[in-house]
Amino acid sequence: AQSVTQPDIHITVSEGASLELRCNYSYGATPYLFWYVQSPGQGLQLLLKYFSGDTLVQGIKGFEAEFKRSQSSFNLRKPSVHWSDAAEYFCALRGGFQKLVFGTGTRLLVSP
Amino acid sequence: NAGVTQTPKFRILKIGQSMTLQCAQDMNHNYMYWYRQDPGMGLKLIYYSVGAGITDKGEVPNGYNVSRSTTEDFPLRLELAAPSQTSVYFCASSYRQGGPNEKLFFGSGTQLSVL
Repeated sequence: AQSVTQPDIHITVSEGASLELRCNYSYGATPYLFWYVQSPGQGLQLLLKYFSGDTLVQGIKGFEAEFKRSQSSFNLRKPSVHWSDAAEYFCALRGGFQKLVFGTGTRLLVSP
Repeated sequence: NAGVTQTPKFRILKIGQSMTLQCAQDMNHNYMYWYRQDPGMGLKLIYYSVGAGITDKGEVPNGYNVSRSTTEDFPLRLELAAPSQTSVYFCASSYRQGGPNEKLFFGSGTQLSVL
């Protein structure tokens, strides 16, 4: 079975501070991993994805994520958060040609 | 490019009523999906389609039906609305599935309340 865990429901970060959102997965082989962002009232937008190769993946809007096989993790990072980054972030996994599975999401709040 | 268009944006139904959520994409994507999003639960796949005339059940198909007569359209039908179907519904499409070029494009959602 495949599953995704996002342990943090809410995170508050000060504007300009760094950000790390956690994502842990369960899958027997190397999965395809994704981070999506959902702004209020909008659908989800792909931030970045990992399939193979370099374990540090760069995405849009200054985000990056690192795949760590030993920790079954795919944490999302940003060095300096902007107020416009306030949104809900979803980690997702696809194992081979199985269904895409989403985590429960982490809501990011940005304080002035 | 409009991308993925969902209508309506909001709807209130009475228990037992039926309705169709519309979804259209103009990117010539073969793969289309319907998800529901409940607070704290992430997105759950209701139905998906790999091309015109081909549909299959996802994780939570009960109470819903779909059809895919064209590449562009993928409507979701609720036959007998129940309060448990109160949710936000998202339609998505992708050109590929399960490969390095996979990317889902989402509509802006339909907020449905069943009272």
